[in-house]
Amino acid sequence: DTGVSQDPRHKITKRGQNVTFRCDPISEHNRLYWYRQTLGQGPEFLTYFQNEAQLEKSRLLSDRFSAERPKGSFSTLEIQRTEQGDSAMYLCASSATGDPFYEQYFGPGTRLTVT
Amino acid sequence: RKEVEQDPGPFNVPEGATVAFNCTYSNSASQSFFWYRQDCRKEPKLLMSVYSSGNEDGRFTAQLNRASQYISLLIRDSKLSDSATYLCVVNSGGADGLTFGKGTHLIIQP
Repeated sequence: DTGVSQDPRHKITKRGQNVTFRCDPISEHNRLYWYRQTLGQGPEFLTYFQNEAQLEKSRLLSDRFSAERPKGSFSTLEIQRTEQGDSAMYLCASSATGDPFYEQYFGPGTRLTVT
Repeated sequence: RKEVEQDPGPFNVPEGATVAFNCTYSNSASQSFFWYRQDCRKEPKLLMSVYSSGNEDGRFTAQLNRASQYISLLIRDSKLSDSATYLCVVNSGGADGLTFGKGTHLIIQP
């Protein structure tokens, strides 16, 4: 399978704990995006990497959230001191340089439940 | 005003019928437009990009009206497997994040 992969698929954690999610993009894609989706809403953009550089962050990305893409391949999203409002599906997407429409392809997501 | 607006539905449509969705966007500088399909508890999957001249892919036709800032999706000869949420998506420039509508829920009935 050469699509975007995410790990874990599900995470249940207690309020106040830290969690980390991983995303592996499509291998030839140098752009990687993180989104968050809650029930009944469309995905909301969180942040974007081109290679290892984090080029854009949404105002939704509070100080408790941090994302990295250290070698320009996989990326991690960490949430510190989780809150119940962080419960959501966290989606990763990737796109290719040179695609004039920047078509983004999504992974299966990590569903986070904060209890 | 929301950046991308869609009628949430649900649209209940008999199998074989034609159904059309519209969405409107607020940012006139938007450059790329897409329709994604999302099944329950699954990730969004790219259905089609929307080109200025309009485009067709099998039973699906997408149109863009820049002057009125709306995008449409037409599904002909609908199948039971077309039941899903259809997300209207806009990119306001460059390779930054996409802006999604809340989606239109389509139910195809046998």
